[in-house]
Amino acid sequence: DVKVTQSSRYLVKRTGEKVFLECVQDMDHENMFWYRQDPGLGLRLIYFSYDVKMKEKGDIPEGYSVSREKKERFSLILESASTNQTSMYLCASRDRFLEQYFGPGTRLTVT
Amino acid sequence: GNSVTQMEGPVTLSEEAFLTINCTYTATGYPSLFWYVQYPGEGLQLLLKATKADDKGSNKGFEATYRKETTSFHLEKGSVQVSDSAVYFCALSDDGANNLFFGTGTRLTVIP
Repeated sequence: DVKVTQSSRYLVKRTGEKVFLECVQDMDHENMFWYRQDPGLGLRLIYFSYDVKMKEKGDIPEGYSVSREKKERFSLILESASTNQTSMYLCASRDRFLEQYFGPGTRLTVT
Repeated sequence: GNSVTQMEGPVTLSEEAFLTINCTYTATGYPSLFWYVQYPGEGLQLLLKATKADDKGSNKGFEATYRKETTSFHLEKGSVQVSDSAVYFCALSDDGANNLFFGTGTRLTVIP
């Protein structure tokens, strides 16, 4: 079974803090994704990566950056957290049949 | 462009009732279509998929048929159970795109 893990299930940070969300997959997938999930908006793509050190902006990249130094790990960085970044963050990796496998999510609260 | 429109919820049904959640799409190419399910407190799991017109995806009693003529991929189940209570997302993956395009999700609650 494909497994995608995320470093934290719940996180509380203060405004202005730098926040790291980590995601690890164990199936050697090349493509990995970060989404945020908000009520009534569904999932929105923040960034994706199609290879080590390669990244592409998604629909809502502002205020975020990413890092992919190893194939299995894809990190989402909030350079200076703000209250409007309070959300559920979901990581996914994708196989060659276009199926995405999701982690359990990190619920981030910025106060 | 690519987009997915799905029926707004929430949907509340009694156990053993018939379920339909509507999903329509627009796409520039020849998309693959997916239904994902999110149980409380968990990430999304693939429920079923269809990769070409007239394909039927099925899993756990759920079915959806890829209808190109109506650009639809409606989710159905003949008899829902309390354990089906979750949020359901319709999604498409265009062959030219790297990511999935999701609908806004439909929350289903099944009461005993």
